[in-house]
Amino acid sequence: DIQMTQSPSSVSASVGDTVTITCRASQDITTWLAWYQQKPGKAPRLLIYAASRLQSGVPSRFSGSGSGTDFTLTISSLQPEDFATYYCQQTNIFPQTFGGGTKMEIK
Amino acid sequence: EVQLVESGGGLVQPGGSLRLSCAGSGFIFNSYEMNWVRQAPGKGLEWVSYISSSGDIIYYADSVKGRFTISRDNPKNSLYLQMNSLRAEDTAVYFCARVNYYGDYDSSNFDYWGQGTLVTVSS
Repeated sequence: DIQMTQSPSSVSASVGDTVTITCRASQDITTWLAWYQQKPGKAPRLLIYAASRLQSGVPSRFSGSGSGTDFTLTISSLQPEDFATYYCQQTNIFPQTFGGGTKMEIK
Repeated sequence: EVQLVESGGGLVQPGGSLRLSCAGSGFIFNSYEMNWVRQAPGKGLEWVSYISSSGDIIYYADSVKGRFTISRDNPKNSLYLQMNSLRAEDTAVYFCARVNYYGDYDSSNFDYWGQGTLVTVSS
């Protein structure tokens, strides 16, 4: 199975900050990577697909990069609604594993 | 508007069975591959099972293989998860999620999710 390692597991930030979350795959997944945002009690929401493509309706302050094994999600100019938990997911090979999540909290 | 609505969750004893349903609307259901994903209380997301658009290709996570069965009824726009021999560690919110492909099958993602249905396995 492909292991997806996300870091950090939690981060404290302030409104207006820029935050970067990293995700490392245990083997090459090219760009078969997606990022999701989840708020308490809600379903995950797709933010980024194909490692760097912004899902329709998602604000442009979200961006993704990377290929192969190393990926990043960057959120620029954090807004109050961005405080949530973020997950990466590889969809290259079954089982389609998720990272452990990054919980973003208000400083 | 694309909608996925799960149902069928509840409290079940260890060793018991439950069947989850996911009703799709607002899209051509028989054109899309589907998945079940679960989330134990306070934990992260865990992929559970996949089914192709026609139902002929199926995958399971090792943690549920041999106990869970995914299926679909395309004329009814419905996805199912039959869960047998349930264990305490199967307690979770179960989400159904639609697969979307980017480009010429260059990448895939789960673009729409249901709201989830809670399964609690306890005596």
